[in-house]
Amino acid sequence: GQQVMQIPQYQHVQEGEDFTTYCNSSTTLSNIQWYKQRPGGHPVFLIQLVKSGEVKKQKRLTFQFGEAKKNSSLHITATQTTDVGTYFCAVVFNDYKLSFGAGTTVTVRA
Amino acid sequence: NAGVMQNPRHLVRRRGQEARLRCSPMKGHSHVYWYRQLPEEGLKFMVYLQKENIIDESGMPKERFSAEFPKEGPSILRIQQVVRGDSAAYFCASSPPSGTDTEAFFGQGTRLTVV
Repeated sequence: GQQVMQIPQYQHVQEGEDFTTYCNSSTTLSNIQWYKQRPGGHPVFLIQLVKSGEVKKQKRLTFQFGEAKKNSSLHITATQTTDVGTYFCAVVFNDYKLSFGAGTTVTVRA
Repeated sequence: NAGVMQNPRHLVRRRGQEARLRCSPMKGHSHVYWYRQLPEEGLKFMVYLQKENIIDESGMPKERFSAEFPKEGPSILRIQQVVRGDSAAYFCASSPPSGTDTEAFFGQGTRLTVV
């Protein structure tokens, strides 16, 4: 299956600041999905990107798929305490199997 | 429309006992997936089932682990003779008929602790 690497593993952010988490692959990806998992919770689907160079926004979250379809990023502006959690990227392969990155765990300083 | 239902939410077992984890998919979903999450790690695929069929069990350990999705009732992930290394969160997900445009809906998970 396709492997994805996520960086950074941990992100400590001051409330109100912006940050970006990255998902990288050595091979071309057919798609990328992003999930958020709150502490003690379960993964919740955020978005799927399929097209080269695709950019999608959800309020303060901006998702991007690289031109070469080998990387993706999630940028959060004006971080809030509700953004706390772990953000995972995942690749769907064989039409059903999700291969998850290790995640970026975000903590917010008020 | 109820989401993916998993029970129990927390399960404690002594080494050597059996653990049974249950998952009921969302209404209208006939595809079930089990994932395991070790502390501070991402989720790892274990098995993909449709009603009465195991489609892909490439992520399942060869011994002690089994899964089923009977015609009636929930999907069951069974771990026999549990060991401490089995302690993890086990998540079930379901989806509509497969395709790259579908998202996976995850249950709340079962957190297994082996003592």
